Amino acid sequence: GAVVSQHPSWVICKSGTSVKIECRSLDFQATTMFWYRQFPKQSLMLMATSNEGSKATYEQGVEKDKFLINHASLTLSTLTVTSAHPEDSSFYICSARDFGEGTEAFFGQGTRLTVV
Amino acid sequence: ILNVEQSPQSLHVQEGDSTNFTCSFPSSNFYALHWYRWETAKSPEALFVMTLNGDEKKKGRISATLNTKEGYSYLYIKGSQPEDSATYLCAFMVYDKIIFGKGTRLHILP
Repeated sequence: GAVVSQHPSWVICKSGTSVKIECRSLDFQATTMFWYRQFPKQSLMLMATSNEGSKATYEQGVEKDKFLINHASLTLSTLTVTSAHPEDSSFYICSARDFGEGTEAFFGQGTRLTVV
Repeated sequence: ILNVEQSPQSLHVQEGDSTNFTCSFPSSNFYALHWYRWETAKSPEALFVMTLNGDEKKKGRISATLNTKEGYSYLYIKGSQPEDSATYLCAFMVYDKIIFGKGTRLHILP
């Protein structure tokens, strides 16, 4: 399958700072990228969907000013957690899809964020 | 609100036994149903992408069925092996988003 690279795989940051997570499709064009968050023992919760060149569509309850998503190219999307707080500590994972190549989506490795 | 339910949440199966679990999803606005296998410290890996009512797909000892009219899919594992231990996620796809269930955590007992 296609490869999606997500970095960093883990990060620890101080409360109040911002953290950027990158998601890259290495061998296909990611026309659509999905960002998920997983709390302990919970499902992958969809945060937002972004299409290349467009503003992201956020799910209900997700603060768009706190979780900034940029999808400026067909191979890169970023999620920036702004002014992070301990309650933002979670597992974040991206998924990418080439709209013109069927319905399958491919996952990055995920990022474990810890805010101290 | 799109809701995807998976059951059971957790399952212990003796090595060599067969097992199955369920994914329930909304029957309207169906686009596709995905099954993923997620091992610890790895990315979720797609097992099946199913789009048509009545679809049956098979990969080795693992197979899946799909009923879009009633909104359910079954995943079957025949002759469980230790390497089958993982979390199995189903994901319901509408046109522009993919919604996941909570997964079924499968433990294979030696």
